[in-house]
Amino acid sequence: QVQLQESGPGLVKPSETLSLTCTVSNGSINYFYWSWIRQSPGKGLEWIGDIYYSGSTNYNPSLKSRVTISVDTSRNQVSLTLISVTAADTAVYYCARPGGNSQIDDWGRGTLVTVSS
Amino acid sequence: EIVLTQSPATLSLSPGERATLSCRASQSVGYYLAWYQQKPGQAPRLLIYGASNRAPGIPARFSGSGSGTDFTLTISSLEPEDFAVYYCQQRTNWITFGQGTRLEIK
Repeated sequence: QVQLQESGPGLVKPSETLSLTCTVSNGSINYFYWSWIRQSPGKGLEWIGDIYYSGSTNYNPSLKSRVTISVDTSRNQVSLTLISVTAADTAVYYCARPGGNSQIDDWGRGTLVTVSS
Repeated sequence: EIVLTQSPATLSLSPGERATLSCRASQSVGYYLAWYQQKPGQAPRLLIYGASNRAPGIPARFSGSGSGTDFTLTISSLEPEDFAVYYCQQRTNWITFGQGTRLEIK
C-alpha cells in the first residue's frame, strides 16, 4: 500500500511562508492526483487543493491566492507552499491520495504546523 | 460551494447499539459522498465511498446509503473501537467535508 510522509518546519512565523513536502513510497506518483488537507486543532477538515502528476492543479477558492502545490515526479514528492501565514493557518497538514470516486483513499500521518512568533 | 451538514453533532450510545449518522448536502452531489472515521491523534480512515461502497478492510457492520442530498452512515452494532468522530465528504467542484459527528460512549 502506498505510504505518504509529510515533512517540513513545525513552527512558522506570522507573515512568513509555510513549506511542506510529501514523499510518496511503495508506489509511483504517476497517473494519480495528490491532495493537501488540513485540520485546525479541535476543528474539522479543510481541503487545500490537489495536483495531478502532470502538474495541473485545483485549489480551494478560499486559499487560492496564497497556495501553490507542485509535483516532482523524479523524487516522488509533492510540495505545498502557503504564503503570508497567520495564526489561523495553525493546523495538522495531511498529504493524501484521492481515489476514483473523489474519495480520499490514502492519508499521511500528518504534520503539525504552528504559526507563532 | 456545497455545504455538508452532519447531524447530530454528538451521539451517545452504548456498545451493541445501532448508530445512525446523517449528512445533508446543500445541493445534489449524486452518489459522490464518502464517510471517514477519525480517532484522536490519527488521520481519518476511509469507510465508505460512492455513498454505499465499503472501503477495503472495513467491517460489514458499517454501511452507507443515500443519494442526491441526503445520506446516512449506519453502524449496525457498535463495537468499543467504533467510538470516534465521523466525517462525510463530497467533491462536485471541489472537496468539502461536513463538520463531523462525535460518537461517544453512553
